[in-house]
Parts: sequence; C-alpha cells; structure tokens
Amino acid sequence: EVQLLESGGGLVQPGVSLRLSCAASGFTFRTYGMSWLRQAPGKGLEWVSSISGSGDYTYYADSVKGRFTISRDNSNSMLSLQMNSLRGEDTAVYYCAKGYFSSHMDVWGKGTTVTVSS
Amino acid sequence: QSALTQPPSVSGSPGQSVTISCTGTSSDVGNYNRVSWYQQPPGTAPKLMIYEVSNRPSGVPDRFSGSKSGNTASLTISGLQAEDEGDYYCSTYTITTMLFGGGTKLTVL
Repeated sequence: EVQLLESGGGLVQPGVSLRLSCAASGFTFRTYGMSWLRQAPGKGLEWVSSISGSGDYTYYADSVKGRFTISRDNSNSMLSLQMNSLRGEDTAVYYCAKGYFSSHMDVWGKGTTVTVSS
Repeated sequence: QSALTQPPSVSGSPGQSVTISCTGTSSDVGNYNRVSWYQQPPGTAPKLMIYEVSNRPSGVPDRFSGSKSGNTASLTISGLQAEDEGDYYCSTYTITTMLFGGGTKLTVL
C-alpha cells in the first residue's frame, strides 16, 4: 500500500525555521516527482513546491520562493521541506503528495499542521 | 483570488446529477489536457478523483466524470450519494506553477 506520513509541524514564532519531513512507502520513491501543498485554515489548496525524482529540478510558488527549500533522500524514501523566515500567512496544514506540479497528485499524506504565531 | 474559478457551492438530492465548473484561461486550462479534480471530505486529506481531464484513478466510481471545453473544465457526479459531500478542487498547471480553483462545496440534500 502506498503511504505518505508527514511529521515536523508545530507552533512557532514568526521569523524562525522549521523542517517538515515525509516518509514514503509502498512505491519506488526515486522514480516519482514529489510535492508539498498546503491549506490555510478555512481556505483552499495551495501548491508550495515540487521536486523531480532525481532531485535535480525544483519548483516553488512565488509565496515561498527564497524562504523554503524542498529536498529528497532517495536512499531512505524521504521528502523534506525546510522552511525559513516563517510568517503568519504560512500557517496551514502541509501535505506531502506523490506527483509533480505539471501532473497530478495521486497520493496524499494526512498532513502536518504548522502554526506561526507570537 | 484563485487562479481558477469555481462556483462556491452546488447541491443536489440523492440520485441526481451535479456539475462543477472550473474556468481558467487559454494559458492554463485551455492550453493543457492536465486538469485534475480532488475531493476533500471534511477533516480529511484531498483525494484524486479525475486526472488529465477525464481519466479516473483505480477505485474511483464511474459516477464521476470529467470533461473540458475551451477554457472551462467540468466535473460531473451522477447518481449523487451522501458520501459525495465535501469540497472539490480543480487544478492545472502552467510552465512553472500548479494552479488550483478556490473549491466548491457539494451538499447532498
């Protein structure tokens, strides 16, 4: 069974950093592009970032470019999102998904909550 | 303001059909056949229902169908069931970004 399990969320103050992780299982991780998406409280879905299977290509939404970094460890089937200079508007449930920004997300994790507040 | 435009809400009685529209531009929806639809029941993660305009992943009932005409894509749900309630989002992409609609809340009366 294909599974994605996010971790690393929490309550942080504005300006600090946080690192999210996503453990993947049930598929050949290195052959698929992966993505992070988020959903602010009571709002719709927002794509955050995607990374190619090899990790050579990364893409970011304008809202996080320069602050967030997506990466992957294919030997351990792990996806990560390093989030720096966090802002209140980054408060959201963050989802890890199997798929690339130019395709579709066919498997989603249950999400991890990030709250940025003083 | 979302990049793709969806109606905020639709409703229907059990057994009826409903259609949710998703309007973009000639640079996104009109230019690519990679429109996807996601279902999100309350308190749960999104689930892929339709990809590449009209394809259903394994396990998705054939009551769900997708189509596209020009800059507008549509999701039709026939034979409505109570379990179909939730939010529905369309998505597509441009050269370097993925776009979502603002979401449509489906209520089964």
